[in-house]
Amino acid sequence: DQQVKQNSPSLSVQEGRISILNCDYTNSMFDYFLWYKKYPAEGPTFLISISSIKDKNEDGRFTVFLNKSAKHLSLHIVPSQPGDSAVYFCAARWNKLVFGAGTILRVKS
Amino acid sequence: DVKVTQSSRYLVKRTGEKVFLECVQDMDHENMFWYRQDPGLGLRLIYFSYDVKMKEKGDIPEGYSVSREKKERFSLILESASTNQTSMYLCASSTAGTRGFEQYFGPGTRLTVT
Repeated sequence: DQQVKQNSPSLSVQEGRISILNCDYTNSMFDYFLWYKKYPAEGPTFLISISSIKDKNEDGRFTVFLNKSAKHLSLHIVPSQPGDSAVYFCAARWNKLVFGAGTILRVKS
Repeated sequence: DVKVTQSSRYLVKRTGEKVFLECVQDMDHENMFWYRQDPGLGLRLIYFSYDVKMKEKGDIPEGYSVSREKKERFSLILESASTNQTSMYLCASSTAGTRGFEQYFGPGTRLTVT
């Protein structure tokens, strides 16, 4: 039973445009949500997080939005750059982190 | 910079062998984790540890065991490797407390069991 779902296995975006990665969850006990980025042959690296008491958190080109009523969060990357091409994992915390399956983002130049 | 190192990047083992995967972190983190990453399944937690000599089962502990004799080192053991344990294995560490869930990952070990 996947508590954190990333329904889009891949996304392709033109350089300079917005990338929107989506994540849905089922457990209302999650109190913190995180995004990780993973390049091939490297471990995931932390990107941005949001507490369940907030609905938006911004860090440079990256913004995470949380819609608790819909149990949905999204990561916006504006503007997208070729170096953003990676696998993005959504994760949610209850007593431990639960990860989604990941979305492969390709930014075309 | 936090550094998490894993003993091997690539490993090939035969079915039935005992396999040791080692992980070392240099930031004095209390928490350490072992995940496996499989296509379409994301990262799944195998075992974790909040302190030396402590261990907790994750979501998929069957066929695995762990050892944490020192704070900086967390070992994953496959008692008798099987082909369904072919996977990418990722070790992570984090501090205790709220922000401790920002985990720092090693580069991973690609294990193939033949």
